[in-house]
Amino acid sequence: EVQMSESGGGLAQPGGSLRLSCAGSGFTFDNYAMSWVRQAPGKGLEWVSSMSGTSGDTFYADSVKGRFIISRDNSKNTLFLEMNNLRVEDTAVYYCAKDLLRRATGMSDYWGQGTLVTVSS
Amino acid sequence: EIVLTQSPGTLSLSPGERATLSCRASQSVGSSYLAWYQQRPGQAPRLLIFGASNRASGIPDRFTGSGSGTDFTLTINRLEPEDFAVYYCQQCARSPWTFGQGTRVEI
Repeated sequence: EVQMSESGGGLAQPGGSLRLSCAGSGFTFDNYAMSWVRQAPGKGLEWVSSMSGTSGDTFYADSVKGRFIISRDNSKNTLFLEMNNLRVEDTAVYYCAKDLLRRATGMSDYWGQGTLVTVSS
Repeated sequence: EIVLTQSPGTLSLSPGERATLSCRASQSVGSSYLAWYQQRPGQAPRLLIFGASNRASGIPDRFTGSGSGTDFTLTINRLEPEDFAVYYCQQCARSPWTFGQGTRVEI
Protein backbone atom coordinates (compact mmCIF):
# COMPACT_ATOMS: atom_id res chain seq x y z
CA GLU A 1 0.00 0.00 0.00
CA VAL A 2 1.36 3.38 -1.02
CA GLN A 3 1.69 5.74 1.94
CA MET A 4 3.23 9.09 2.70
CA SER A 5 3.72 10.40 6.22
CA GLU A 6 4.61 14.03 6.84
CA SER A 7 6.25 15.43 9.96
CA GLY A 8 7.97 18.57 11.14
CA GLY A 9 5.10 21.00 11.19
CA GLY A 10 4.41 23.31 14.10
CA LEU A 11 4.56 26.90 15.22
CA ALA A 12 7.21 29.24 13.88
CA GLN A 13 7.75 32.96 14.19
CA PRO A 14 7.79 35.25 11.18
CA GLY A 15 11.30 35.14 9.75
CA GLY A 16 11.92 31.74 11.29
CA SER A 17 12.56 28.34 9.76
CA LEU A 18 11.08 24.87 9.74
CA ARG A 19 12.01 21.63 8.02
CA LEU A 20 9.30 19.27 6.87
CA SER A 21 9.89 15.60 6.16
CA CYS A 22 7.84 13.06 4.23
CA ALA A 23 8.50 9.35 4.45
CA GLY A 24 7.24 7.30 1.54
CA SER A 25 6.50 3.58 1.56
CA GLY A 26 4.82 0.95 -0.58
CA PHE A 27 6.44 2.09 -3.84
CA THR A 28 9.90 2.45 -5.39
CA PHE A 29 10.63 5.95 -4.11
CA ASP A 30 13.23 7.07 -6.64
CA ASN A 31 11.01 6.02 -9.55
CA TYR A 32 8.72 8.98 -8.91
CA ALA A 33 8.88 12.71 -8.61
CA MET A 34 7.47 14.14 -5.39
CA SER A 35 5.70 17.39 -4.57
CA TRP A 36 4.62 19.63 -1.73
CA VAL A 37 1.17 21.22 -1.96
CA ARG A 38 -0.30 23.47 0.74
CA GLN A 39 -3.73 24.57 1.83
CA ALA A 40 -4.27 27.62 3.99
CA PRO A 41 -7.11 27.32 6.52
CA GLY A 42 -10.44 27.34 4.71
CA LYS A 43 -8.78 27.98 1.35
CA GLY A 44 -7.97 26.05 -1.81
CA LEU A 45 -4.92 24.09 -2.88
CA GLU A 46 -1.64 25.75 -3.80
CA TRP A 47 1.23 23.88 -5.43
CA VAL A 48 4.51 24.72 -3.64
CA SER A 49 7.38 22.68 -5.06
CA SER A 50 8.28 19.48 -6.91
CA MET A 51 11.40 17.42 -7.39
CA SER A 52 12.11 14.74 -9.97
CA GLY A 53 12.91 11.19 -8.95
CA THR A 54 16.59 11.01 -9.81
CA SER A 55 17.67 13.89 -12.05
CA GLY A 56 17.66 16.49 -9.30
CA ASP A 57 15.36 18.85 -11.20
CA THR A 58 13.43 21.13 -8.87
CA PHE A 59 10.49 23.46 -9.38
CA TYR A 60 9.06 26.17 -7.13
CA ALA A 61 6.05 28.42 -6.93
CA ASP A 62 6.96 32.09 -7.17
CA SER A 63 5.58 32.66 -3.68
CA VAL A 64 8.28 30.45 -2.12
CA LYS A 65 11.16 30.73 -4.58
CA GLY A 66 14.35 31.79 -2.80
CA ARG A 67 12.92 30.91 0.64
CA PHE A 68 12.04 27.20 0.42
CA ILE A 69 14.31 24.35 -0.67
CA ILE A 70 13.03 20.93 -1.71
CA SER A 71 15.31 17.92 -1.46
CA ARG A 72 15.12 14.17 -1.13
CA ASP A 73 17.16 11.28 0.21
CA ASN A 74 16.27 8.31 -1.98
CA SER A 75 18.30 5.94 0.22
CA LYS A 76 15.87 6.75 3.05
CA ASN A 77 12.71 7.17 0.93
CA THR A 78 12.30 10.65 2.34
CA LEU A 79 11.35 14.03 0.89
CA PHE A 80 12.17 17.31 2.63
CA LEU A 81 11.08 20.91 2.51
CA GLU A 82 13.37 23.44 4.14
CA MET A 83 11.32 26.57 4.82
CA ASN A 84 13.20 29.77 5.63
CA ASN A 85 12.21 33.38 6.21
CA LEU A 86 8.68 32.22 6.98
CA ARG A 87 5.78 34.61 6.57
CA VAL A 88 2.34 34.67 8.16
CA GLU A 89 0.88 33.79 4.75
CA ASP A 90 2.83 30.51 4.75
CA THR A 91 0.43 29.22 7.40
CA ALA A 92 -1.18 26.12 5.93
CA VAL A 93 -1.46 22.37 5.96
CA TYR A 94 1.42 21.05 3.88
CA TYR A 95 0.79 17.87 1.92
CA CYS A 96 3.43 15.59 0.50
CA ALA A 97 2.32 13.97 -2.74
CA LYS A 98 3.67 11.32 -5.11
CA ASP A 99 3.83 12.17 -8.81
CA LEU A 100 2.54 9.97 -11.61
CA LEU A 101 5.99 9.81 -13.23
CA ARG A 102 9.72 9.97 -12.45
CA ARG A 103 9.95 13.39 -14.08
CA ALA A 104 7.94 16.05 -12.32
CA THR A 105 4.54 16.51 -13.90
CA GLY A 106 2.79 18.03 -10.89
CA MET A 107 -0.01 15.49 -11.12
CA SER A 108 -0.12 13.53 -7.87
CA ASP A 109 -1.83 10.20 -7.38
CA TYR A 110 -1.12 9.63 -3.68
CA TRP A 111 -1.13 12.17 -0.87
CA GLY A 112 -0.14 12.20 2.76
CA GLN A 113 -2.49 13.44 5.46
CA GLY A 114 -0.62 16.71 5.82
CA THR A 115 1.23 18.59 8.53
CA LEU A 116 0.13 21.97 9.85
CA VAL A 117 2.54 24.88 9.76
CA THR A 118 1.53 27.98 11.70
CA VAL A 119 3.53 31.17 11.36
CA SER A 120 2.68 33.65 14.07
CA SER A 121 4.33 35.91 16.59
CA GLU B 1 0.98 32.07 -14.77
CA ILE B 2 -1.97 30.11 -16.09
CA VAL B 3 -5.16 30.93 -14.19
CA LEU B 4 -7.84 28.27 -13.87
CA THR B 5 -11.39 29.42 -13.26
CA GLN B 6 -13.88 26.85 -12.02
CA SER B 7 -17.63 27.20 -12.23
CA PRO B 8 -19.98 27.14 -10.57
CA GLY B 9 -18.58 27.92 -7.15
CA THR B 10 -21.20 25.73 -5.51
CA LEU B 11 -23.46 23.10 -7.02
CA SER B 12 -26.51 22.00 -5.03
CA LEU B 13 -27.80 18.61 -6.14
CA SER B 14 -29.44 15.46 -4.83
CA PRO B 15 -28.11 11.90 -4.76
CA GLY B 16 -28.72 10.21 -8.11
CA GLU B 17 -28.44 13.44 -10.11
CA ARG B 18 -25.68 14.40 -12.52
CA ALA B 19 -23.06 17.03 -11.70
CA THR B 20 -21.29 19.02 -14.41
CA LEU B 21 -18.24 21.00 -13.31
CA SER B 22 -16.33 23.39 -15.54
CA CYS B 23 -12.69 24.45 -15.55
CA ARG B 24 -11.49 27.18 -17.89
CA ALA B 25 -7.81 28.04 -18.41
CA SER B 26 -6.48 31.50 -19.22
CA GLN B 27 -4.36 29.94 -21.96
CA SER B 28 -4.19 26.57 -23.63
CA VAL B 29 -2.94 23.66 -21.53
CA GLY B 30 -3.40 21.03 -24.22
CA SER B 31 -4.99 17.86 -22.90
CA SER B 32 -2.17 15.90 -21.33
CA TYR B 33 -1.66 18.09 -18.27
CA LEU B 34 -5.07 18.71 -16.78
CA ALA B 35 -6.09 16.84 -13.64
CA TRP B 36 -9.13 16.77 -11.36
CA TYR B 37 -9.06 16.08 -7.61
CA GLN B 38 -11.73 15.45 -5.01
CA GLN B 39 -11.34 16.65 -1.43
CA ARG B 40 -13.72 15.56 1.28
CA PRO B 41 -13.83 17.51 4.57
CA GLY B 42 -10.81 16.84 6.74
CA GLN B 43 -9.16 14.64 4.13
CA ALA B 44 -6.30 14.94 1.70
CA PRO B 45 -7.08 15.46 -1.99
CA ARG B 46 -7.65 12.40 -4.14
CA LEU B 47 -6.72 12.20 -7.80
CA LEU B 48 -9.74 11.45 -9.97
CA ILE B 49 -8.70 12.27 -13.53
CA PHE B 50 -5.35 12.93 -15.23
CA GLY B 51 -4.59 13.86 -18.81
CA ALA B 52 -8.04 15.48 -18.96
CA SER B 53 -9.91 12.20 -19.47
CA ASN B 54 -8.04 9.29 -17.84
CA ARG B 55 -9.51 7.92 -14.65
CA ALA B 56 -6.99 7.28 -11.88
CA SER B 57 -6.71 3.86 -10.32
CA GLY B 58 -9.80 2.81 -8.38
CA ILE B 59 -11.98 5.71 -9.53
CA PRO B 60 -15.54 4.65 -10.41
CA ASP B 61 -16.68 5.06 -14.00
CA ARG B 62 -19.38 7.52 -12.97
CA PHE B 63 -16.57 10.12 -13.01
CA THR B 64 -15.78 11.34 -16.54
CA GLY B 65 -13.35 14.03 -17.65
CA SER B 66 -13.36 15.74 -21.02
CA GLY B 67 -12.03 18.76 -22.86
CA SER B 68 -8.84 20.17 -24.29
CA GLY B 69 -7.18 23.51 -24.86
CA THR B 70 -8.81 25.92 -22.44
CA ASP B 71 -12.14 24.28 -21.58
CA PHE B 72 -12.52 21.18 -19.46
CA THR B 73 -15.42 19.40 -17.80
CA LEU B 74 -15.78 16.90 -15.00
CA THR B 75 -19.06 15.00 -15.08
CA ILE B 76 -20.27 12.91 -12.16
CA ASN B 77 -23.18 10.66 -13.08
CA ARG B 78 -25.60 9.32 -10.48
CA LEU B 79 -24.21 11.19 -7.47
CA GLU B 80 -23.51 9.02 -4.47
CA PRO B 81 -23.53 10.43 -0.89
CA GLU B 82 -19.73 10.19 -0.74
CA ASP B 83 -19.39 12.38 -3.86
CA PHE B 84 -20.47 15.51 -2.00
CA ALA B 85 -17.12 17.26 -1.66
CA VAL B 86 -14.95 19.98 -3.17
CA TYR B 87 -13.43 19.40 -6.61
CA TYR B 88 -10.31 21.08 -7.95
CA CYS B 89 -8.83 21.16 -11.43
CA GLN B 90 -5.07 21.55 -11.88
CA GLN B 91 -2.90 22.39 -14.86
CA CYS B 92 0.62 21.07 -15.17
CA ALA B 93 1.35 22.24 -18.71
CA ARG B 94 3.43 25.20 -17.63
CA SER B 95 5.16 26.00 -14.35
CA PRO B 96 4.03 27.29 -11.96
CA TRP B 97 1.47 24.53 -11.84
CA THR B 98 -1.82 25.95 -10.68
CA PHE B 99 -5.13 24.85 -9.22
CA GLY B 100 -8.58 26.25 -9.76
CA GLN B 101 -10.37 27.74 -6.77
CA GLY B 102 -12.62 24.69 -6.42
CA THR B 103 -16.28 23.77 -6.90
CA ARG B 104 -18.23 22.58 -3.89
CA VAL B 105 -20.84 19.91 -4.64
CA GLU B 106 -23.38 19.94 -1.84
CA ILE B 107 -26.66 18.27 -1.10
